Amino acid sequence: DTGVSQNPRHKITKRGQNVTFRCDPISEHNRLYWYRQTLGQGPEFLTYFQNEAQLEKSRLLSDRFSAERPKGSFSTLEIQRTEQGDSAMYLCASSPIEGGYTFGSGTRLTVV
Amino acid sequence: GQNIDQPTEMTATEGAIVQINCTYQTSGFNGLFWYQQHAGEAPTFLSYNVLDGLEEKGRFSSFLSRSKGYSYLLLKELQMKDSASYLCARGGGNKLTFGTGTQLKVEL
Repeated sequence: DTGVSQNPRHKITKRGQNVTFRCDPISEHNRLYWYRQTLGQGPEFLTYFQNEAQLEKSRLLSDRFSAERPKGSFSTLEIQRTEQGDSAMYLCASSPIEGGYTFGSGTRLTVV
Repeated sequence: GQNIDQPTEMTATEGAIVQINCTYQTSGFNGLFWYQQHAGEAPTFLSYNVLDGLEEKGRFSSFLSRSKGYSYLLLKELQMKDSASYLCARGGGNKLTFGTGTQLKVEL
């Protein structure tokens, strides 16, 4: 297992389009997290899963955002009707029940 | 709230020692993490403190005082490659809450 993998690394999309990102966590990690990071800021929590259950969602996650982890392994984050304010780095992280995060390399989204 | 405060930026000289401070809200606290993040890259784990005291790991050490809601990251023998953002993150409620990061610049 080579760590947390995120695809794509970069995505440029036109405003109003839908985008989907994928995260493959470390296989033995039960927990999977999505964060968003803008320039000069720390990562902001979006949502997290324990196995396939989505246990918490931030108020930052508007109804245009949806995340799934259907089999408790990989996860997808979809943004519908993208807006310029959605431009950010989207980070996925996984962890065991007790322990720190391992982050993926992130997906950098640019909405034009 | 879970406000996490750390300095926005610091500058230090190669070979020197630098201490990056972090304060946080203590309610519901479940561990304090430090991450390093180079520009355009993902954060990488540096240290974890759950009990009071100093944890040393090579050139990096981290200190925690739970009663004061205070932690610091100590970097010794600074190298140019240590120029990065250092993120303080508070554990609690099954997730980490990050500060805005301290941008460290190491100069010759």
